[in-house]
Amino acid sequence: EPEVTQTPSHQVTQMGQEVILRCVPISNHLYFYWYRQILGQKVEFLVSFYNNEISEKSEIFDDQFSVERPDGSNFTLKIRSTKLEDSAMYFCAGSRTRLAVEETQYFGPGTRLLVL
Amino acid sequence: QKEVEQNSGPLSVPEGAIASLNCTYSDRGSQSFFWYRQYSGKSPELIMSIYSNGDKEDGRFTAQLNKASQYVSLLIRDSQPSDSATYLCAVIGGSYIPTFGRGTSLIVHP
Repeated sequence: EPEVTQTPSHQVTQMGQEVILRCVPISNHLYFYWYRQILGQKVEFLVSFYNNEISEKSEIFDDQFSVERPDGSNFTLKIRSTKLEDSAMYFCAGSRTRLAVEETQYFGPGTRLLVL
Repeated sequence: QKEVEQNSGPLSVPEGAIASLNCTYSDRGSQSFFWYRQYSGKSPELIMSIYSNGDKEDGRFTAQLNKASQYVSLLIRDSQPSDSATYLCAVIGGSYIPTFGRGTSLIVHP
């Protein structure tokens, strides 16, 4: 069964550094999402992406964040200048269609980001 | 602000018992409702989805939805120690973006 994959599984970085988190969605998925989950807290939506454009973004997704699909398979989340509070688990997800009735999304295993 | 509320628990039940997990939501326009299971350090795994009022059963799991009361629940029958995890409720409204609750920690003890 196809799965969403994410790399790296763990990333440690210094505050102020740029990080790029990578995701390979399931091949027939067209909608892509990034979420984050700070330790002990709820899963929070960051951004959704369709047809090479951002379709929705949350208040968390400020100018420090960007997403792109550089080569038609990878889907990346870039954090330009990391802060301590960016330390979290970052999940990529995908779905075949928009998350309307009867559609579900599939999560990748996550990247644990630690900013020191 | 759309809210999804869950009792954080932990909910402790003996092996073989029924575990009942509850979730309330604030957005009356919500259309899709999901229960995910999340083991510590892992990603959410879809357990059940429900879209219309009433019950939906899948194996040992039953989801119940009451839109008038803005309430969705998950029943786990014959609970097993392997069911011990955090259960996340997620709700989708007109924006097609899920809002998650903080999750309920379930402990099934032998």
